[in-house]
Amino acid sequence: AQSVTQLDSHVSVSEGTPVLLRCNYSSSYSPSLFWYVQHPNKGLQLLLKYTSAATLVKGINGFEAEFKKSETSFHLTKPSAHMSDAAEYFCVVTISGTYKYIFGTGTRLKVLA
Amino acid sequence: SAVISQKPSRDICQRGTSLTIQCQVDSQVTMMFWYRQQPGQSLTLIATANQGSEATYESGFVIDKFPISRPNLTFSTLTVSNMSPEDSSIYLCSASRGMSEETQYFGPGTRLLVL
Repeated sequence: AQSVTQLDSHVSVSEGTPVLLRCNYSSSYSPSLFWYVQHPNKGLQLLLKYTSAATLVKGINGFEAEFKKSETSFHLTKPSAHMSDAAEYFCVVTISGTYKYIFGTGTRLKVLA
Repeated sequence: SAVISQKPSRDICQRGTSLTIQCQVDSQVTMMFWYRQQPGQSLTLIATANQGSEATYESGFVIDKFPISRPNLTFSTLTVSNMSPEDSSIYLCSASRGMSEETQYFGPGTRLLVL
């Protein structure tokens, strides 16, 4: 069965410093993986997705994630945090053949001035 | 991508009443989904809305409580029936083109408070 674990419920960084949001997955097949961002009182916006092409995936707003099969990880990074990055981030894995999503529990990113 | 709108954006309802949430997609899509996001929580899938047939519900969700319609390839409704304060949540719909495209695009959500 597929599952996804976000290792940190809260992450705080200073503006201008790197961001690392960690996600590990479990899947018996080659999964599709996604990162979404949810700003306060907003819907979910797709940041990036991995679908078995390049293992380093670039997304919007300077975010990227690397698929590491050996570590079953799909961590989200950004070189320099901006105040506008403060939000909730969700890692998602698909259930094979169903188009259904399994959501991680979310990581709340706080950016300090 | 797909642009998704939901109505209403928020509502305050009395217990025992029902609310119908509408979800409109700007283009035809194969798959539509309804999620619940309880305060401070992640998203939980309620059901997959199937065009021309009954919705497929996840464990813990039943049609009598959350009836869903999908009359065409761009529109779906979710009704929250006989509401109680425990139904206070954000309800989101999403859409996917299906086939080789697994990406889901989300609406802005409907914030429901039940008193």
